[in-house]
Amino acid sequence: EIVLTQSPEFQSVPPKEKVTIICRASQSIGGNLHWYQQKPHQSPKLLIKYVSQSFSGVPSRFSGSGSGTEFTLTINGLEAEDAATYYCHQSSSLPHTFGQGTKLEIK
Amino acid sequence: EVQLLDSGGSLVQPGGSLRLSCAASGFNFSTYAMSWVRQAPGKGLEWVSAVSGSGNYTYYADSVKGRFSISRDNSKNIIYLQMNALRAADTAVYFCAKSIFGVVMNTAWDSWGQGTLVTVSS
Repeated sequence: EIVLTQSPEFQSVPPKEKVTIICRASQSIGGNLHWYQQKPHQSPKLLIKYVSQSFSGVPSRFSGSGSGTEFTLTINGLEAEDAATYYCHQSSSLPHTFGQGTKLEIK
Repeated sequence: EVQLLDSGGSLVQPGGSLRLSCAASGFNFSTYAMSWVRQAPGKGLEWVSAVSGSGNYTYYADSVKGRFSISRDNSKNIIYLQMNALRAADTAVYFCAKSIFGVVMNTAWDSWGQGTLVTVSS
């Protein structure tokens, strides 16, 4: 099973700042790395697919990068509505796995 | 517009059974793989099971293999998760999710249901 480890697990950031969340895989997963946003009491929403492809309707301040075993989700110009938990997900091999989540608080 | 409506969650005793359903609309259902992902209270996301668009291929997490069974009815645009021999550790909100493709590998889940709560307790 491929383990995904996110860092940090919690981050408190003022509005308009830049946020970086890292996801490290226990082995190479190629480009099969995706990012989701989950707000309290809501279902997850796809933000970024295949490392860096923005999903339809996602604001341009969200971007992804990385390769192999290290990946990054960046939010440029944090907004209040971005308060949520963010998860990375790999679909390179079964079972699909998720990172443990990064909770983002807006100061 | 893609819509996924999860249902079937309830309180069940350990060792009991439950069947979850996910009714889909707004897309060509048989073209896309579907999955169940769960989230225990206060915890992260855990992939549970998936089925290919045709229904011919099914996949399970080790934690549910032999106890859960996923299926789909492409004539009714519904997927099911039959859960047997339920344990306290299965307590979670269960989400159905739609794949970008008809296969389970190398895909992302681009639409999610609202979730249905399964509580396993005596």
